Parts: sequence; structure tokens; C-alpha cells
Amino acid sequence: AQKVTQAQTEISVVEKEDVTLDCVYETRDTTYYLFWYKQPPSGELVFLIRRNSFDEQNEISGRYSWNFQKSTSSFNFTITASQVVDSAVYFCALSEADSSYKLIFGSGTRLLVRP
Amino acid sequence: NAGVTQTPKFRILKIGQSMTLQCAQDMNHNYMYWYRQDPGMGLKLIYYSVGAGITDKGEVPNGYNVSRSTTEDFPLRLELAAPSQTSVYFCASSYGYGQGTGETQYFGPGTRLLVL
Repeated sequence: AQKVTQAQTEISVVEKEDVTLDCVYETRDTTYYLFWYKQPPSGELVFLIRRNSFDEQNEISGRYSWNFQKSTSSFNFTITASQVVDSAVYFCALSEADSSYKLIFGSGTRLLVRP
Repeated sequence: NAGVTQTPKFRILKIGQSMTLQCAQDMNHNYMYWYRQDPGMGLKLIYYSVGAGITDKGEVPNGYNVSRSTTEDFPLRLELAAPSQTSVYFCASSYGYGQGTGETQYFGPGTRLLVL
């Protein structure tokens, strides 16, 4: 069964703190893809990153970094030196090769960065 | 390049009414999708299309219909609106490299629908 779990419903941090958003996935496929999307208060969904199951290299993009660990089925997202503009709901999503028309979303983590 | 556009932004419907949510993309993407997002939840796939004239059901298709007569447009039709259809609806598109490629989907701004 395919499933994405984001156990942290809401996180509140003070600006400049580092914060990690957890994502745990379940899939039987050996080929799959993982995504993170950001949903700011304005409501749109903004694509952040895509990883495939064969590439376990961690990735860094500015203040954002992603840690992909197949051994624990996790794809965690860290924001370094958080800013108020990072306040949003963040979604982790899974796409399987056998049914890749469908994105399976987690329930999201609401991040509040306080000044 | 406007990306994925959706109209209207917000709509209130009475129970039993019908309406069409519009979606258009100008990225020459072959694949298009409709999702709904219920409060505090992730998105669930309603319908998708892999090209003009080809549509298929997603996880939660009941109460909805779609058509795809052009590459650019993918309207979603609600017949006999029910309170359970109160949600935010997102349209998305992707290039269409084919199944199994895990391509990135790009989303529109959403339509907020309230059924009373």
C-alpha cells in the first residue's frame, strides 16, 4: 500500500532557528519518486524538489536541504535559519512508477515562523 | 507564460446546483489532473487526462465529470452539488513523458468551493 505520513501537524519556531519537517513513506515499488511542495497562506502549491528512488544523495538549495534515506523510508526537509516567509504548509508526496499519474500526498505540516 | 490558471477563485453553490470549474495551461503539457484538498488534508486525485480526448478516474471521481477537447483546457464539472464537495480544487499539469517517469506536476492557484 502506498502512503505518506507527515506526523508533525504543526511546528512553531522563532526566526533564524533551524527546523526539520519529517516525511515517511510506504511503497512496494522499487522505482518511485518523492516530492516536496510548499503551500503559502495565499493557497497555491509551489514545487520545491523531486527525487527518484535511485538517487539517495542529499540535496541543498540555499537554506533548504533534503535528506533521503531508503533504509528508514524517509525524505526529510530542513530549513536552515528560518524566515517569516517560510511560514506555510509543506506537503511531501510520493509517485510510484507503476501508477505515476497519481501523486500521493501526506497530510501536510504547518510551519509557523515567528519574528 | 501564465502556467496553470483556474477560474473562478471562489464560488458558493446551493445543494443540487451544477457548475464547471475551468482549468487551462499554456506550457504545452500533455497531462492534466484535478485534485481536491479538504481542510487539514493532503490532495486527492479526482480525474486525470493524458491527452485530448483521453480521461480516466482517480481516487475520488464520484460526483464529478471531466472532458478534454484540447491540450490546453481541462474543465471539471460538478453535477448536483453536495455539501461533501465543499473543498479547494486544484488543477495541475505535467509534460507527459509517460507512465513511470515520476514527472513533476505544476499546480494552479486553486478554486475554493462552498456548497450550502
